[in-house]
Amino acid sequence: GESVGLHLPTLSVQEGDNSIINCAYSNSASDYFIWYKQESGKGPQFIIDIRSNMDKRQGQRVTVLLNKTVKHLSLQIAATQPGDSAVYFCAENVGSSNTGKLIFGQGTTLQVKP
Amino acid sequence: DAGVTQSPTHLIKTRGQQVTLRCSPKSGHDTVSWYQQALGQGPQFIFQYYEEEERQRGNFPDRFSGHQFPNYSSELNVNALLLGDSALYLCASSFRSATDTQYFGPGTRLTVL
Repeated sequence: GESVGLHLPTLSVQEGDNSIINCAYSNSASDYFIWYKQESGKGPQFIIDIRSNMDKRQGQRVTVLLNKTVKHLSLQIAATQPGDSAVYFCAENVGSSNTGKLIFGQGTTLQVKP
Repeated sequence: DAGVTQSPTHLIKTRGQQVTLRCSPKSGHDTVSWYQQALGQGPQFIFQYYEEEERQRGNFPDRFSGHQFPNYSSELNVNALLLGDSALYLCASSFRSATDTQYFGPGTRLTVL
């Protein structure tokens, strides 16, 4: 069935280090993937997205890599800061014309140590 | 530019009651999706509304229903509440396309006693 999963539930990094959060998906027909950050008590916040015709996309301090061969997605955060502490979700967009639903993984908690 | 707004912020109900949650989409967006997020889990898709019609539905019972108004705002209704309905209910808005980015509101925390 459709599912998006994350490899590790918790990731602890030192402030200033780079963070890598991984995600595996199972629906090979999906063509759009999104990373969200969710802080305690708040709704998911869009970080970066990537479409299936790309392998890599960069934003400010963040990079998303997509490996369609092994159905793997990763989020890299450069120079991790305390404000990056949150739960990170990858989501897979599954939909047809004029519709779409997001399938989320369980989430990875990122803890940044000062 | 206002983002996605939801009301109320928190709600406490008892089993068997009915609840209505409200969502106003981000300016310029015409599509609203609803998600349920249990504690410690990722959000789960309930349904999506576009042009005042339910376009797609997730694996949720008929107790969950919705509505979209001409101004694109939306309501989520849950009847005959169960303890297991306790969760954070999230609304996300987007613009038409199936692969358009969905932006989330802060959510409504529903507690069923």
